[in-house]
This record gives sequence, C-alpha cells and structure tokens, in this order.
Amino acid sequence: IAGITQAPTSQILAAGRRMTLRCTQDMRHNAMYWYRQDLGLGLRLIHYSNTAGTTGKGEVPDGYSVSRANTDDFPLTLASAVPSQTSVYFCASSDDSNSPLHFGNGTRLTVT
Amino acid sequence: GQNIDQPTEMTATEGAIVQINCTYQTSGFNGLFWYQQHAGEAPTFLSYNVLDGLEEKGRFSSFLSRSKGYSYLLLKELQMKDSASYLCAVRDSNYQLIWGAGTKLIIKP
Repeated sequence: IAGITQAPTSQILAAGRRMTLRCTQDMRHNAMYWYRQDLGLGLRLIHYSNTAGTTGKGEVPDGYSVSRANTDDFPLTLASAVPSQTSVYFCASSDDSNSPLHFGNGTRLTVT
Repeated sequence: GQNIDQPTEMTATEGAIVQINCTYQTSGFNGLFWYQQHAGEAPTFLSYNVLDGLEEKGRFSSFLSRSKGYSYLLLKELQMKDSASYLCAVRDSNYQLIWGAGTKLIIKP
C-alpha cells in the first residue's frame, strides 16, 4: 500500500527514557518532515530532510534528533523524554518543496 | 513574526454553504494550502493557490488574494462527512510551511 507508515500508533513513555518514532514512505519522495500537533496550535515543524543524507532544524528541534540514511526512512529520536513532549507526532513527505505534503497517521505520545 | 489566523470553530447546516477564512502575515509567499483533518486522523491535502483568484474542485473551492494576505475555503452542499478541522498553511520565502491552528467545522443535520 503506497503511502507513509508510522510506528508505533501510540506510546506511553516514562520521563527520561529514550524513544524512536519510526517513519517509512514508499513513494520515493525526496523531502520528509516531522511535525508535532498540540491542541490549539498549528502544526510545528521539528526537523526536515530535503533529500537522503541531509537534515535540517525546524521551528522546535530541541530535544529531538533525526537521521536520513536512505530515501524511505526518517526516524525521530527523543534522547531523554520530558512531559512537554507529550503530543501527536506526524511524519510527512513531499516530492519537492513545491508539492503538497502527504502525512502518516501519526503517533500519539504521552510522557509521564 | 509570521502568523496565520483562522476562526477556531464554525457551525453549519447539512446541505448549506460555508466559507472558512484565513489571513496571513509571512516572510514572503510561495503558495497557500488547505488541508482537511478528521478527528484522530492525518491531514489530507485539499487545495493549493499560488496566484490570485478562485480554484474550484468539486464541492470545494479556494480563493486567494495575495495583496490582502487573505484566502478562503468554500464548501458547498455540505455533508455530515465534512465535519472536520480545516488547516490553512502558507509557504514562506524559505519554502517552509507556516500552519494555522485550524478551524473545526461542525455540521448539523
């Protein structure tokens, strides 16, 4: 099935633990993005990658890291989770910077 | 700073027409997007405007005025399944997307 797959769907995590959110796309899109969505706020960009091998910081990168070893995968790592990282995380991809974004189904993360 | 403004919530009646407004102040402009997001689901692309005017796509239309920093999404013949949040996003001069907080549309029978 073409699209973006995120895992896990949801997770409850103790503060201080390390966590990697997985994102895989099979559309051969060049650009990939990680957003967080919080009630009452617009989607906020955490990190992005314009092409395999490159990454960049978005609006709210602190406490998160990413890697882009190949075109398909773009994992997001929380090195030491804090309660303020409780959110819904969306991975997205686009063919290029002018194209619409395609979103995964999201990961609902609760940090306790 | 960069800012996208949309109404927080709107209510409309099944079969009617509703207009959702979006105003923006951004560093440059490289296009405006509308997305639909049902509760608990991912946003899905609805429309894209980069030139002034109206883009029509079935029951949905989107309008842009770059000089006014203004767009609207027009939904006709409303159906219950149109109950969702509608997100406005502007691509700035760095080709980064700036997102509004979304407008929750409630459709009543």
